[in-house]
Amino acid sequence: EPEVTQTPSHQVTQMGQEVILRCVPISNHLYFYWYRQILGQKVEFLVSFYNNEISEKSEIFDDQFSVERPDGSNFTLKIRSTKLEDSAMYFCASSRTFSGTDTQYFGPGTRLTVL
Amino acid sequence: AQKITQTQPGMFVQEKEAVTLDCTYDTSDQSYGLFWYKQPSSGEMIFLIYQGSYDEQNATEGRYSLNFQKARKSANLVISASQLGDSAMYFCAMSAENQAGTALIFGKGTTLSVSS
Repeated sequence: EPEVTQTPSHQVTQMGQEVILRCVPISNHLYFYWYRQILGQKVEFLVSFYNNEISEKSEIFDDQFSVERPDGSNFTLKIRSTKLEDSAMYFCASSRTFSGTDTQYFGPGTRLTVL
Repeated sequence: AQKITQTQPGMFVQEKEAVTLDCTYDTSDQSYGLFWYKQPSSGEMIFLIYQGSYDEQNATEGRYSLNFQKARKSANLVISASQLGDSAMYFCAMSAENQAGTALIFGKGTTLSVSS
């Protein structure tokens, strides 16, 4: 069964450093998303992406964040200068369509720890 | 604005018993989707079941069923015949069709503990 994959599973970085989180969405899916979950809290939407453009972004997704589809399979989230409060689990998700009734399938997550 | 409320921080159930996890939602949209995801201690988010706002029948997927009461804006997850492996955090989520896209809005989750 196709699945979303994410690398690395755990990343530790120093405050102020740049990190890139990588995702490979399900191959026939066209819509991609990033969410984050601070430890013990609910999952929060960051950004959605389609056709090489951001479709929607939340207030959390400020200028420190960027997304890119560098090739036909990868989808990346870059945090330019990490802060302590960026420590969280980051989930990539993908769906076939942009419909609100289409299921988003999540990857296993990348746990980011900022020291 | 859309909102999901899960009022049960934790639920406890014996193996083989059924359990209902509550979820209420608020939206002014006519077309929307309701989802349940399971998050085991390993952290991944596993899709369980989906209900569309226009679906007249309650969704079922194996041991999971969704008790959808549109007038009351509730979408409770029913797990029949609980198993030890069902112990996890469960999140209710909603999406709505809009021009820009479809971010999922999540509730705070319910921790389910299944004992033998």
